[in-house]
Amino acid sequence: RKEVEQDPGPFNVPEGATVAFNCTYSNSASQSFFWYRQDCRKEPKLLMSVYSSGNEDGRFTAQLNRASQYISLLIRDSKLSDSATYLCVVKSLSGSARQLTFGSGTQLTVLP
Amino acid sequence: DTAVSQTPKYLVTQMGNDKSIKCEQNLGHDTMYWYKQDSKKFLKIMFSYNNKELIINETVPNRFSPKSPDKAHLNLHINSLELGDSAVYFCASSQASEQYFGPGTRLTVT
Repeated sequence: RKEVEQDPGPFNVPEGATVAFNCTYSNSASQSFFWYRQDCRKEPKLLMSVYSSGNEDGRFTAQLNRASQYISLLIRDSKLSDSATYLCVVKSLSGSARQLTFGSGTQLTVLP
Repeated sequence: DTAVSQTPKYLVTQMGNDKSIKCEQNLGHDTMYWYKQDSKKFLKIMFSYNNKELIINETVPNRFSPKSPDKAHLNLHINSLELGDSAVYFCASSQASEQYFGPGTRLTVT
């Protein structure tokens, strides 16, 4: 089983749609959780951290369920510029180091 | 004002050659990383350095060797390149939670 698993995608949605991505992680000792965004042929960039109580940043809402080891990202009123690959990322302790483990990503295309 | 920079951006070379990729960060971060992203877009950590000490070394072939002359630099040297080494290699740095990535080096081994 992969440490971080995401919806396979791709998701093709019209502008203005609401889309949700899911992610599960296997390491129950994982400490921190993030969503990164990667545009085509570009580097990953932090979109938002994910907190236990859930958090919102504009049109983006992230939720964490530690009991189920499940993370989600909701995008409301999607824009063409939201088209990208969304990476679910989990931070855990590996020996004495904190390590990020990336999911394989979910590709989103927002259509006009 | 580039935060994390890598050179070269593209690298095309033949099997068996030795090559290096350079990485520099001007953020004053303590930890730097190398990641490999393969054709399936899966991003996997290879190495990280904290204050010039290797603290993570995933199961990568020993043909890959990271070298950090100082806190701001983490270079990646690859010996005897193989076809399977073709990928995009990303350098990153962090101080706390967020990692900042370089633009990537697209390596093609022919």
